Amino acid sequence: SQQGEEDPQALSIQEGENATMNCSYKTSINNLQWYRQNSGRGLVHLILIRSNEREKHSGRLRVTLDTSKKSSSLLITASRAADTASYFCATQYGGATNKLIFGTGTLLAVQP
Amino acid sequence: EPEVTQTPSHQVTQMGQEVILRCVPISNHLYFYWYRQILGQKVEFLVSFYNNEISEKSEIFDDQFSVERPDGSNFTLKIRSTKLEDSAMYFCASSDRQGRIQETQYFGPGTRLLVL
Repeated sequence: SQQGEEDPQALSIQEGENATMNCSYKTSINNLQWYRQNSGRGLVHLILIRSNEREKHSGRLRVTLDTSKKSSSLLITASRAADTASYFCATQYGGATNKLIFGTGTLLAVQP
Repeated sequence: EPEVTQTPSHQVTQMGQEVILRCVPISNHLYFYWYRQILGQKVEFLVSFYNNEISEKSEIFDDQFSVERPDGSNFTLKIRSTKLEDSAMYFCASSDRQGRIQETQYFGPGTRLLVL
């Protein structure tokens, strides 16, 4: 079955630095989405990238998708302490199924 | 901005008891989901619901689980006889496909269920 695996598992950076998180998956997808989860809280949708897209931007976020390598990356530029959270990728097959398959997550700590 | 809401935020119950977790999806959304996240683990899909019936369910969603949309706004997850391993954060989500293949699922804040 499809699984998302993310690396690193944990990342600690200083405020102002860039943070890059990676996600890999195993089978063909329709789209890939990134979510943020603050400690013990709900999931906040950040960005969706379709399988025919290679790069997408939203504010300080940049997402890339390489379907040949079955991988995606999330870049947060000029990080802030408020960016401290867990970040998850989630893949969606599309077609008959709408379910999201979540990755293991990257815990990002931004030190002020 | 519209959002998905869930109640209660926390629920503690005894093993074997029934629990009902409630969700109010975004009002014009058509597709509803439940996911769960056991502490320290991945978020896992449980069930999707469309047009008043289950459209897909995972292996986790066994006979102890059921979902219902009792009125035009609420979406509930019932666990008939809770087990210790049902302790988790349960997330409701909704989406509006409107014929599109890809859609964003909007998640509620979750209900943390603790089974003793």
